[in-house]
Amino acid sequence: DIQMTQSPSTLSASVGDRVTITCRASQSISSWLAWYQQKPGKAPKLLIYKASSLQSGVPSRFSGSGSETEFTLTISSLQPADFATYYCQQYNGYSWTFGQGTKVEVK
Amino acid sequence: QITLKESGPTLVKPTQTLTLTCTVSGFSLSTSGVGVGWIRQPPGKALEWLAFIYWDDDKRYSPSLKSRLTITKDTSKNQVVLTMSNVDPVDTATYFCAHRGLDSNYDSVPFDYWGQGTLVTVSS
Repeated sequence: DIQMTQSPSTLSASVGDRVTITCRASQSISSWLAWYQQKPGKAPKLLIYKASSLQSGVPSRFSGSGSETEFTLTISSLQPADFATYYCQQYNGYSWTFGQGTKVEVK
Repeated sequence: QITLKESGPTLVKPTQTLTLTCTVSGFSLSTSGVGVGWIRQPPGKALEWLAFIYWDDDKRYSPSLKSRLTITKDTSKNQVVLTMSNVDPVDTATYFCAHRGLDSNYDSVPFDYWGQGTLVTVSS
């Protein structure tokens, strides 16, 4: 199984901050990495796929980078709507694995 | 407009078999490149992928749950069904189904549309 490890588990930040979340894969996944945002009681929302492709309709303050085993999600200027939990996910066509999540909370 | 909606029992007894249905609209389950996955989330915990079915009926399962899961699709009814045998209280979770498609470069776009989820409680 491919394991996905996110850090940090919780992140305290203020509106306007630059925020970075890291995701590590237990083995190479090329660029098959997605990022989701989830708010309480709601389904996850796809933000980024193929490590750096911005999903249609997602604000450009969200960006993704990385390859193989190391990936990052960056929010360039945190907005009030961005306080949520973020998950990375690998998808290699044979299995799909989520990270444990990173909660972005108000500092 | 792509939509997915989960349905099934809200309460199941331990050792029983859980059957969940995902009814989709706005796309065909037989369109090349399309797939539907099931994901669950126990209260207050992380997302966990369970199973996936491709347009050509190829199927994938979570290794840790493979022996208990079966995923099927009925293209004529626009439905994907997940069965989980021998449920336990630890299977209490919100269960989601989600669409997988392709972008303009024919790259996989994972889980771009999700259902609202259905909460299943396993308790005697």
